[in-house]
Amino acid sequence: SQTIHQWPATLVQPVGSPLSLECTVEGTSNPNLYWYRQAAGRGLQLLFYSVGIGQISSEVPQNLSASRPQDRQFILSSKKLLLSDSGFYLCAWSKSRSYEQYFGPGTRLTVT
Amino acid sequence: TQLLEQSPQFLSIQEGENLTVYCNSSSVFSSLQWYRQEPGEGPVLLVTVVTGGEVKKLKRLTFQFGDARKDSSLHITAAQPGDTGLYLCAGADSNYQLIWGAGTKLIIKP
Repeated sequence: SQTIHQWPATLVQPVGSPLSLECTVEGTSNPNLYWYRQAAGRGLQLLFYSVGIGQISSEVPQNLSASRPQDRQFILSSKKLLLSDSGFYLCAWSKSRSYEQYFGPGTRLTVT
Repeated sequence: TQLLEQSPQFLSIQEGENLTVYCNSSSVFSSLQWYRQEPGEGPVLLVTVVTGGEVKKLKRLTFQFGDARKDSSLHITAAQPGDTGLYLCAGADSNYQLIWGAGTKLIIKP
């Protein structure tokens, strides 16, 4: 069966510090991978998605970036965090050409 | 730009009552999904509906996709405290990208 991991679970970082969130998927090959941000109790904002190694599409201009160095690894980064980067970050995967997405447990990021 | 509107945004009812949550758009979707999310966790897929007019049942939950594939509803019969959570709908476009509703926060009081 497939599983998806995210870490860390929670993170408190000062403004201006760098960020690296990691997501890995097990039990499947060549998944589509997604990074979302969610405001408290609200819907999901798609940040980045990837259909393959090194292939990243950005949905929202911001100071975040994403990379996919391996087939089942997806990384969300920032060089300098802003207060507005605080939120709940979710990684998801789907099979190629599938509607259904499966989510990781999320990372709660607080920028102070 | 495709949009999905969910209503109500917030619903608090007593255990045993019935409720319906709606997801509406002016756009046609290839499919529509419903997810449930508990605080501090990722959303969990409940159901995918693909065909216009389709009805799917998951125990006490009934999901319907509109005939024109622009809207959907989720009906819960005899709600229980375990149904508490954030319910999200998401419509898929022809490129397999999901358009997300803002969610309905549901609280079932014992």
